[in-house]
Amino acid sequence: DVKVTQSSRYLVKRTGEKVFLECVQDMDHENMFWYRQDPGLGLRLIYFSYDVKMKEKGDIPEGYSVSREKKERFSLILESASTNQTSMYLCASSSIQGSQPQHFGDGTRLSIL
Amino acid sequence: QKEVEQDPGPLSVPEGAIVSLNCTYSNSAFQYFMWYRQYSRKGPELLMYTYSSGNKEDGRFTAQVDKSSKYISLFIRDSQPSDSATYLCAMRAGGYQKVTFGTGTKLQVIP
Repeated sequence: DVKVTQSSRYLVKRTGEKVFLECVQDMDHENMFWYRQDPGLGLRLIYFSYDVKMKEKGDIPEGYSVSREKKERFSLILESASTNQTSMYLCASSSIQGSQPQHFGDGTRLSIL
Repeated sequence: QKEVEQDPGPLSVPEGAIVSLNCTYSNSAFQYFMWYRQYSRKGPELLMYTYSSGNKEDGRFTAQVDKSSKYISLFIRDSQPSDSATYLCAMRAGGYQKVTFGTGTKLQVIP
């Protein structure tokens, strides 16, 4: 089974802090994704990466950056956290082989006070 | 207009009922179709994954794709209280990894 692990289930930070969300997958997947999920808006793609050190902007990249130094790890960085970044953050991964679907972690519920 | 439309519900059904969940979409390039189940405070879990039109069955779940109508469905037979969750449809074009998600339908199966 695919295992996508997000380092924190719940996180509380203050406005202006730099926040790091970590994600690790154990299936040697090439693609990794970061989404945020908000009521009524569904899942929105923030960034994705199709290889080590490669990244592509998604639909809502403003205020975020990412890092992928190793194939299994994909980090999301909130450069200066703001209250409108309070959300559920979901990491996913997928293989490029055979057009495989994405598999998700359990999410990090982030609150910015 | 959103690329993918999904009724948010909530949908309440008695245990044992047949449940029908649906999504419509506007992008004719979509070729891969997925259904995810998401329990409260958990991440989405892949339920069904289909390519192009047709039906796919897995236990009590059947996924149906009608590309001519741009309409996909998930049927749950003999629904159980453990099926209570939010169901997300998702789809993407071929050769492209970006997935477009519906906003989810909340289902409650009442014992």
